[in-house]
Amino acid sequence: RKEVEQDPGPFNVPEGATVAFNCTYSNSASQSFFWYRQDCRKEPKLLMSVYSSGNEDGRFTAQLNRASQYISLLIRDSKLSDSATYLCVVNTGDSSYKLIFGSGTRLLVRP
Amino acid sequence: NAGVTQTPKFQVLKTGQSMTLQCAQDMNHNSMYWYRQDPGMGLRLIYYSASEGTTDKGEVPNGYNVSRLNKREFSLRLESAAPSQTSVYFCASRQGWPEAFFGQGTRLTVV
Repeated sequence: RKEVEQDPGPFNVPEGATVAFNCTYSNSASQSFFWYRQDCRKEPKLLMSVYSSGNEDGRFTAQLNRASQYISLLIRDSKLSDSATYLCVVNTGDSSYKLIFGSGTRLLVRP
Repeated sequence: NAGVTQTPKFQVLKTGQSMTLQCAQDMNHNSMYWYRQDPGMGLRLIYYSASEGTTDKGEVPNGYNVSRLNKREFSLRLESAAPSQTSVYFCASRQGWPEAFFGQGTRLTVV
């Protein structure tokens, strides 16, 4: 079983829609959690960190559920420019330096 | 601002050949990483270096070796390339938490 699992999608939504992605992780000792965004054939870039109390950055909201070991990302009012692959990233419990990526969820926003 | 620089950007190797992928960062980061990305697989951690002088195995270390030459440079060596090592390789660096910065990737084909 992979340490970090995501639904690969694709999620195909119209502009203005709200879309949510989930991610599960297997190591209960995992310490830190992030969402990265990757555009086609480009390097991943940090979208936002995920805090225990949940956090928001504009149209993006991230939630963490430690008891169920899952992380979510909600995108409101989707834009064409949101089309990308969203990667769930976990700092695993065996090393605070070890960053493990999920396989990513692809989002396509159509006009 | 160079950030993380990877060389080469593209490479074609014959089965059994060896090569070294170079990575350098100019942000004075302690931690550096090598990932490979295959279609539908997300990024998989090959090796990481928490700090100068240390290296640790990631999820898929077989067939690779690494050297943390100094704080700036972290190289990845394929001793005897195999077609299964055809992939896009990303180097990243990080200082503490949260963001890891990635290079633009090396597209390697082994024929």
